[in-house]
Amino acid sequence: AQSVTQPDIHITVSEGASLELRCNYSYGATPYLFWYVQSPGQGLQLLLKYFSGDTLVQGIKGFEAEFKRSQSSFNLRKPSVHWSDAAEYFCAVGSNDYKLSFGAGTTVTVRA
Amino acid sequence: DGGITQSPKYLFRKEGQNVTLSCEQNLNHDAMYWYRQDPGQGLRLIYYSQIVNDFQKGDIAEGYSVSREKKESFPLTVTSAQKNPTAFYLCASSIRTATGSPLHFGNGTRLTVT
Repeated sequence: AQSVTQPDIHITVSEGASLELRCNYSYGATPYLFWYVQSPGQGLQLLLKYFSGDTLVQGIKGFEAEFKRSQSSFNLRKPSVHWSDAAEYFCAVGSNDYKLSFGAGTTVTVRA
Repeated sequence: DGGITQSPKYLFRKEGQNVTLSCEQNLNHDAMYWYRQDPGQGLRLIYYSQIVNDFQKGDIAEGYSVSREKKESFPLTVTSAQKNPTAFYLCASSIRTATGSPLHFGNGTRLTVT
């Protein structure tokens, strides 16, 4: 069975600074990897996904993520955060059975 | 616009009562899912359905039931057997035939049982 670990529960970053959120997965085959973002009291919105090919994937809102098979990681990055990026971020891994397993999430606080 | 509608947004019930959460989608997706979200635990899968009239238990199905009589609808019933029902419930859908297809989420229902 697949699983996801997000080591950082909470990250605080200054507006305009760079952001990196860590994600490590466990899955025997080639994984399908996703990053989602959730604003308080809302559902989740897909930021980006990786299935195969180029290991650096671009997403919405200026986010990107890099798949590193050797490290079983799929870290999310943004060069310059905006106050509107304050939210909770979830990494997820999928398999061929249409189910996703989610990490516990990382809450991002943006300070002025 | 296509999307997933969950209702109501907030729901309050007394302990011992069954309660049904609504989920409707107009995305023409075959697969639908129910997740439970608790602080610090991420999302946990309750039930999922890949086609009409068929559904499977997820990781935490005890105390919950679902039905899938129509492609568009996947209601979740939280029964009195669920020991800790207070949580945020998220419904999602995906294109069944696309392996690894991403989930589209509704805006959730927050259930409080006292």
